[in-house]
Amino acid sequence: SQTIHQWPATLVQPVGSPLSLECTVEGTSNPNLYWYRQAAGRGLQLLFYSVGIGQISSEVPQNLSASRPQDRQFILSSKKLLLSDSGFYLCAWRSGAGGPYEQYFGPGTRLTVT
Amino acid sequence: AQSVAQPEDQVNVAEGNPLTVKCTYSVSGNPYLFWYVQYPNRGLQFLLKYITGDNLVKGSYGFEAEFNKSQTSFHLKKPSALVSDSALYFCAVRDNANQAGTALIFGKGTTLSVSS
Repeated sequence: SQTIHQWPATLVQPVGSPLSLECTVEGTSNPNLYWYRQAAGRGLQLLFYSVGIGQISSEVPQNLSASRPQDRQFILSSKKLLLSDSGFYLCAWRSGAGGPYEQYFGPGTRLTVT
Repeated sequence: AQSVAQPEDQVNVAEGNPLTVKCTYSVSGNPYLFWYVQYPNRGLQFLLKYITGDNLVKGSYGFEAEFNKSQTSFHLKKPSALVSDSALYFCAVRDNANQAGTALIFGKGTTLSVSS
């Protein structure tokens, strides 16, 4: 069966510091991968998605970037964090081979920028 | 523009009573619809989906949803609520304008509170 991991689970970082969040998927090949941010326990904002190694699409211009160095690894980064980057970051995957279309989410990373 | 609306921020029901969480959508082309549940400080869990076929879709934990094309709705239902159903529920639709990424568009979420 497929599983998705995210780490760290929680992170407290000062303003201006760098960020690296990691997501890995097991039990599938060539998945579509997604990064979302959830603010204040509510709506999800799609940040980036990737349909293959090295292929990144950005949905919202901001202080963050994403990379996909391996098939099942997705990394969210920032060179200098802002207070507004605080939130709950969720990684998700879905099969890249057509349907099914539902996405499966990781446990999330709670980021607090101080 | 494609969108999903969850008109209620919160739904309160008593344990044992039926529950409904409402969702309406606007999408070009065929709608692919989903429901997710989120418990505090956890990721989203997939409950059910409508792609095609029967308008009544059954999912996990006794939940079901009814697709209504004329009303562009996809309401989540359960015949008998449990206290453990208390959580945040999200409706989502596939972004048909983004075929390559097959991204989902999420509603803002509805908090379900079931009292004992």
